[in-house]
Amino acid sequence: QVQLVQSGAEVKKPGSSVKVSCKASGGTFSSYAISWVRQAPGQGLEWMGRIIPILGIANYAQKFQGRVTITADKSTSTAYMELSSLRSEDTAVYYCARAAAGILQHWGQGTLVTVSS
Amino acid sequence: EIVMTQSPATLSVSPGERATLSCRASQSVSSNLAWYQQKPGQAPRLLIYGASTRATGIPARFSGSGSGTEFTLTISSLQSEDFAVYYCQQYNNWWTFGQGTKVEIK
Repeated sequence: QVQLVQSGAEVKKPGSSVKVSCKASGGTFSSYAISWVRQAPGQGLEWMGRIIPILGIANYAQKFQGRVTITADKSTSTAYMELSSLRSEDTAVYYCARAAAGILQHWGQGTLVTVSS
Repeated sequence: EIVMTQSPATLSVSPGERATLSCRASQSVSSNLAWYQQKPGQAPRLLIYGASTRATGIPARFSGSGSGTEFTLTISSLQSEDFAVYYCQQYNNWWTFGQGTKVEIK
């Protein structure tokens, strides 16, 4: 079965960057899009962007354009999300999810990123 | 960007009762609408896609309906494990989520 395992919690200073990984097992990694969704404490879900590994093409939500970079390594079936110029409002749980035809079928366990001075 | 609006924000329901959750899109998303359930400390779980198709392993008490801009998730007889937050999400034009409906025990 499909499993997405994310990297561990991070604590970052304002202005720095964070890179979260998402390793997939089961299924064919390259054929499906990997999306990133975040959830601030007590808040709803917010889509950040996605990558289609077989094409190497990433698309980003307008809100995060210029600050987020999503990449994928097909050799290790791992996707990455890097967010730069961190501020306190970026404190959130970041999820990766595998998308098929736009549907987010399988989710990682989430990675808590805390931005604090 | 397509804005998704869910109502109500909180729904208080007794176990065994029916729950009806609404989701409205700011423009038509056809049937490209999904519903997710999220419990505290857990990742969201896909319940419904294509507005009305249950995902694998989802009990029949969950049903979805609607198309265009108006959608409904119905839980026919609430079980204890169904008390959670529910999100709708459109995938017709990239992805956007509603703000969620919390289903709590009355």
